[in-house]
Amino acid sequence: EDQVTQSPEALRLQEGESSSLNCSYTVSGLRGLFWYRQDPGKGPEFLFTLYSAGEEKEKERLKATLTKKESFLHITAPKPEDSATYLCAVQAQGGSQGNLIFGKGTKLSVKP
Amino acid sequence: NAGVTQTPKFQVLKTGQSMTLQCAQDMNHNSMYWYRQDPGMGLRLIYYSASEGTTDKGEVPNGYNVSRLNKREFSLRLESAAPSQTSVYFCASTGEGYEQYFGPGTRLTVT
Repeated sequence: EDQVTQSPEALRLQEGESSSLNCSYTVSGLRGLFWYRQDPGKGPEFLFTLYSAGEEKEKERLKATLTKKESFLHITAPKPEDSATYLCAVQAQGGSQGNLIFGKGTKLSVKP
Repeated sequence: NAGVTQTPKFQVLKTGQSMTLQCAQDMNHNSMYWYRQDPGMGLRLIYYSASEGTTDKGEVPNGYNVSRLNKREFSLRLESAAPSQTSVYFCASTGEGYEQYFGPGTRLTVT
C-alpha cells in the first residue's frame, strides 16, 4: 500500500536554530514528491517538486532533498515567519493524476 | 491571475440540507480535485476530474457528487449533509509538473 509518513508531528525551534523535517514514503514507483506549506486557515501553498533520488531544490531558507525512501526539508536559520505546517505528498507512477498521497504534516513553530 | 478560487468561505448547514461548493481556476489546467481536511487525518481526495467531461472517485466519495461544468469550473455537491461531513474542503488543479495548486478552502459545519 502506498503510504507517506512525516516526522516529527510538531517541531519547536528558536529563531536561527536550523533543523530538518522528514518525509518517508512507500510507493510502487515514484512519479514525483511534493512539498507544501500551509498557514492556519489557508490552503496548501506549493513549494517544491522532486522527481528522482539525489535531486535538490532550494528556496530562501528551505532546501528539499530526495532519496529512494525519504525526503528531507532542511530549514536554515529559520525566522518566525517560517512557522507553518509543512506537508509532503507523493504521486505514484502508473496512477491517475488524482493519485496524490499526502502525509499528515509537520507543524513548525519558530520562536523569536 | 487569481489561481484557484472557492465559494463560499464558510457555511453552516443543518443535517439533511443540501449545498454546492463552487471552484474555479484560471490557469488553463486540465485536472481538478476536491479534498477534505480533518484534524489528524490529513488531506483526503473526494473526487477528481482529469479533463473536462470526466470525473472519478477518490478515497472518500460517499455522500458527495461532483460536476465538471467546463474546463474552469468543478463543483462539489452534498445532497443530504451529515455531521460527519463537517470539515474544511479544498479544491485544487494540476500544473504541468503534476504539482497541485490549492484554493483557500471552504469551512463547513453540519449541525
